[in-house]
Amino acid sequence: NAGVTQTPKFRVLKTGQSMTLLCAQDMNHEYMYWYRQDPGMGLRLIHYSVGEGTTAKGEVPDGYNVSRLKKQNFLLGLESAAPSQTSVYFCASAPGVQETQYFGPGTRLLVL
Amino acid sequence: AQKVTQAQTEISVVEKEDVTLDCVYETRDTTYYLFWYKQPPSGELVFLIRRNSFDEQNEISGRYSWNFQKSTSSFNFTITASQVVDSAVYFCALSRIIQGAQKLVFGQGTRLTINP
Repeated sequence: NAGVTQTPKFRVLKTGQSMTLLCAQDMNHEYMYWYRQDPGMGLRLIHYSVGEGTTAKGEVPDGYNVSRLKKQNFLLGLESAAPSQTSVYFCASAPGVQETQYFGPGTRLLVL
Repeated sequence: AQKVTQAQTEISVVEKEDVTLDCVYETRDTTYYLFWYKQPPSGELVFLIRRNSFDEQNEISGRYSWNFQKSTSSFNFTITASQVVDSAVYFCALSRIIQGAQKLVFGQGTRLTINP
């Protein structure tokens, strides 16, 4: 039982490049979330999903897209990376709407 | 608006001292949850506790204890007899249910350093 995993752990991109971050959970959780963590700002919600095939915008969705084609996977895409997207990205999952969110180990992204 | 304030940006104490991390929140909701997460130097986020707005009982787990007071909108975290392994950034978070999902609002975090 791996919990929540994230791929890759670290990535360097050039401005304008695209990439996809993968989040996978093996706990059969319905709810999945993507956050970004910037120095001094805590975590902020980018997008979330309340179940397979659904996605919705969070607090800071601009520049990102997501997909939840399979219940266990939640993908975060950057179509044209910008230096402002340099951050640490965390994925989380939860079994129910009122339940605790469990986080993955994070992906460190540097956009040059 | 939802807001969580952790006024202590950094705290440094000597091992075995007791330390309290403050968390003050703002919400108009009557039903909500409060959380504490730990982020050690390795970077992952570790869940510590969840408390719902109707349960004001204090919680104790080993050396950790939490004091929830709705009257002052505070959810403070105390580590007794601190150890070097407690060194981490600690986040307080507030949840609300919007559009069928739980939205967590995090404080800025408190960096705790325990010196040997």
